[in-house]
Amino acid sequence: QVQLVQSGAEVKKPGASVKVSCKASGYTFTSYHINWVRQATGQGIECLGWMNPNSGDTGYAQKFQGRVIMTGDTSITTAYMELGSLTSEDTAVYYCARSVGGYDYAGAYWGQGTLVTVSS
Amino acid sequence: DIQMTQSPATLSASVGDRVTITCRASQSISTWLAWYQQKPGRAPKLLIYKASSLQSGVPSRFSGSGSGTEFTLTISSLQPDDFATYYCQQYNSFSYTFGQGTRLEIK
Repeated sequence: QVQLVQSGAEVKKPGASVKVSCKASGYTFTSYHINWVRQATGQGIECLGWMNPNSGDTGYAQKFQGRVIMTGDTSITTAYMELGSLTSEDTAVYYCARSVGGYDYAGAYWGQGTLVTVSS
Repeated sequence: DIQMTQSPATLSASVGDRVTITCRASQSISTWLAWYQQKPGRAPKLLIYKASSLQSGVPSRFSGSGSGTEFTLTISSLQPDDFATYYCQQYNSFSYTFGQGTRLEIK
């Protein structure tokens, strides 16, 4: 069965970077996009971007351009999202999601979420 | 970025009701629209993709329609498990965006 298992909660200081991992299993890792989104407590959902594990191509939301990097390691079927220059406004639960498939990039399968807390 | 506007923000309904949630895009997104259900403390769950395709395992009381800039999610007969927050998401452009959410609560 398809599973996405994310790394554990992180506490970071302002100005630092965080790297969240998303271990995929149960499907061919290179055949589906990985999307990254986040959600602050009690707020809506915000897209950070997406990654194609086959090509390494990425697409980042304009708001995060220059501050986010999405990568993948096909040898261990793991996707990564690194966000830099953290501020308190980056405190949120971060999710990875695998796409539906083909040319459909909606998030069909989701990780359990990783809480990132930014605090001095 | 393409802006997604959902309405209503909150919807009060009873078990058995038929409800409709609307999502409007700031520019045409063809049918590259998804609907998700989210419950507190849980990841979103995909209900509908490509505007009207039902995700595997999702009950048939959920349906989606629309194209271009106007989309709807309909629940034909509300069940107790359906009370949650619903989000639309466009994935037509290079940068995907979500609507602000519709909270479906028990009347």
